[in-house]
Amino acid sequence: QKEVEQNSGPLSVPEGAIASLNCTYSDRGSQSFFWYRQYSGKSPELIMFIYSNGDKEDGRFTAQLNKASQYVSLLIRDSQPSDSATYLCAVRGAGNNRKLIWGLGTSLAVNP
Amino acid sequence: EPEVTQTPSHQVTQMGQEVILRCVPISNHLYFYWYRQILGQKVEFLVSFYNNEISEKSEIFDDQFSVERPDGSNFTLKIRSTKLEDSAMYFCASSDSLAGGATDTQYFGPGTRLTVL
Repeated sequence: QKEVEQNSGPLSVPEGAIASLNCTYSDRGSQSFFWYRQYSGKSPELIMFIYSNGDKEDGRFTAQLNKASQYVSLLIRDSQPSDSATYLCAVRGAGNNRKLIWGLGTSLAVNP
Repeated sequence: EPEVTQTPSHQVTQMGQEVILRCVPISNHLYFYWYRQILGQKVEFLVSFYNNEISEKSEIFDDQFSVERPDGSNFTLKIRSTKLEDSAMYFCASSDSLAGGATDTQYFGPGTRLTVL
């Protein structure tokens, strides 16, 4: 059974701090990794994706991938109260498989 | 900015009834998906659809479920005989990548909350 695991939190950080969210996955053949943000009662909203080992930056967000350790993370710099949401890690498997396997998400609270 | 739309936003039905959930994917996208999320649980893949046929489906997507692209814009999910455990948020998503590779990204609609009584 292919699994994606996240610490459910809640993770609480002060405004302006760096929030670090982590995700591990079981399928070593997984090819791409997505971070979505989900506000309560709303749909997942794509933040960014990564598929190569290393770091990828987009504004205040940095995704980090380590395929050897089967680990992907999301850093949010200068956290804002509006960043308070659940962050979902989603993983696509190998080959032409397009389905996303999801973690349960980490709840982030940014305190003013 | 183009977006995926879904109707209705909330559907209440009696157990055993048929429901049809509707989606309009982003206009130039080629791949369509349905996912569901039971309250407090993970998002779960149901089915993917390309070129007017199912390309992949999960164990959840049994004979009670079907999908259709009845015209050039709509994409529907039908549940023939709803069960209590079908109560969930149902999300439609679409993506535009023909390559099928790592960069294919899925964009989600706002969801339909299905409540089965």
